Amino acid sequence: DTAVSQTPKYLVTQMGNDKSIKCEQNLGHDTMYWYKQDSKKFLKIMFSYNNKELIINETVPNRFSPKSPDKAHLNLHINSLELGDSAVYFCASSQATSGYTFGSGTRLTVV
Amino acid sequence: QKEVEQDPGPLSVPEGAIVSLNCTYSNSAFQYFMWYRQYSRKGPELLMYTYSSGNKEDGRFTAQVDKSSKYISLFIRDSQPSDSATYLCAMIKSGGSNYKLTFGKGTLLTVNP
Repeated sequence: DTAVSQTPKYLVTQMGNDKSIKCEQNLGHDTMYWYKQDSKKFLKIMFSYNNKELIINETVPNRFSPKSPDKAHLNLHINSLELGDSAVYFCASSQATSGYTFGSGTRLTVV
Repeated sequence: QKEVEQDPGPLSVPEGAIVSLNCTYSNSAFQYFMWYRQYSRKGPELLMYTYSSGNKEDGRFTAQVDKSSKYISLFIRDSQPSDSATYLCAMIKSGGSNYKLTFGKGTLLTVNP
């Protein structure tokens, strides 16, 4: 049973399109996150939700909009995709500072 | 200066070697420390989690934290080819409900048979 699962695994789309990535965790954690890993493998936080409340919103373009329908799900919608959005997006969850678990990633390629 | 510094390597060692990976940090607010392993095209996998100065051992892995020097290390004993991956240090600041991980850049390790 996958602890943090995200779909799709791969996403290839044209510039200007809108796309969504979904994430679900079955660990019972209160906090979920979106991280972005760039081409140099550097991981940086984008958003964090705690019990459906937005806690962290780093300096991310407002074309990116997270939504958390419940504490087990956190989705990421991206409008008007740009070439620079190409990266691997990781969902993660934790219970406070413990048990920080990552999904397997969504590799987004914008062409 | 980045908050967390990690030598990106690459690091190449023979099988059986002891590997030492290190990170330094600049902000004493960091109180929780983790090491992740990331295989190519996979998500980061938590290896070690510590929140106090000293050593923590788990099998062939030992995590060391020196808060006075703002320095953390991961040692891998009897390294195996299956240990070949990118190793990322990560840390969390204390206080509040902001549990964001601040990562180092990762060190690419290759263990040669």
